Amino acid sequence: AAGVIQSPRHLIKEKRETATLKCYPIPRHDTVYWYQQGPGQDPQFLISFYEKMQSDKGSIPDRFSAQQFSDYHSELNMSSLELGDSALYFCASSYGLAGGDTGELFFGEGSRLTVL
Amino acid sequence: SQQGEEDPQALSIQEGENATMNCSYKTSINNLQWYRQNSGRGLVHLILIRSNEREKHSGRLRVTLDTSKKSSSLLITASRAADTASYFCATDNLAAGNKLTFGGGTRVLVKP
Repeated sequence: AAGVIQSPRHLIKEKRETATLKCYPIPRHDTVYWYQQGPGQDPQFLISFYEKMQSDKGSIPDRFSAQQFSDYHSELNMSSLELGDSALYFCASSYGLAGGDTGELFFGEGSRLTVL
Repeated sequence: SQQGEEDPQALSIQEGENATMNCSYKTSINNLQWYRQNSGRGLVHLILIRSNEREKHSGRLRVTLDTSKKSSSLLITASRAADTASYFCATDNLAAGNKLTFGGGTRVLVKP
């Protein structure tokens, strides 16, 4: 079965550069979530989209922005990168808000961002 | 502080033993879920328990929920080396909107 696809899987950037992460949800899933996970930390919610509209916002820095496109894929744009932005960035999808009827979120394998 | 906090932070057991980990949370919830994460990989959903349920089983997994104490436990019976991973609880709570809030995770090492 198709899973959540994230790209790139690994990304190395310099401080103050920009980065864009992409997420392709499971087909027919209409909700996308972005999480950030620092080394040894729990995943922190950044932002989510339902039917191409922002549905919830967490601890996403102002330097970051995201959107969900008409084909339901989502992109997370990160500007003025800082060393502390180095982390695993996960995208998850579901059919319906808050995981829909099952409550389950399906996670991608993550994009590992390293800021030097 | 985090919505879900886990205890213990790390657990080392022998294959065949049971592993128990606990999670506490602070606000009212719709449901509580447990996820598993192999090192550097994505999170995989294990089991969901709704706020009106007290216990749920799935294979070798047993989850309990005590809403009066705002806590949950995950028991893995007859552990295997392949169960080595980090386990996170996540809550879908009424005040936090349409997202899951994850706890700190328990790192489980199952020695063969």
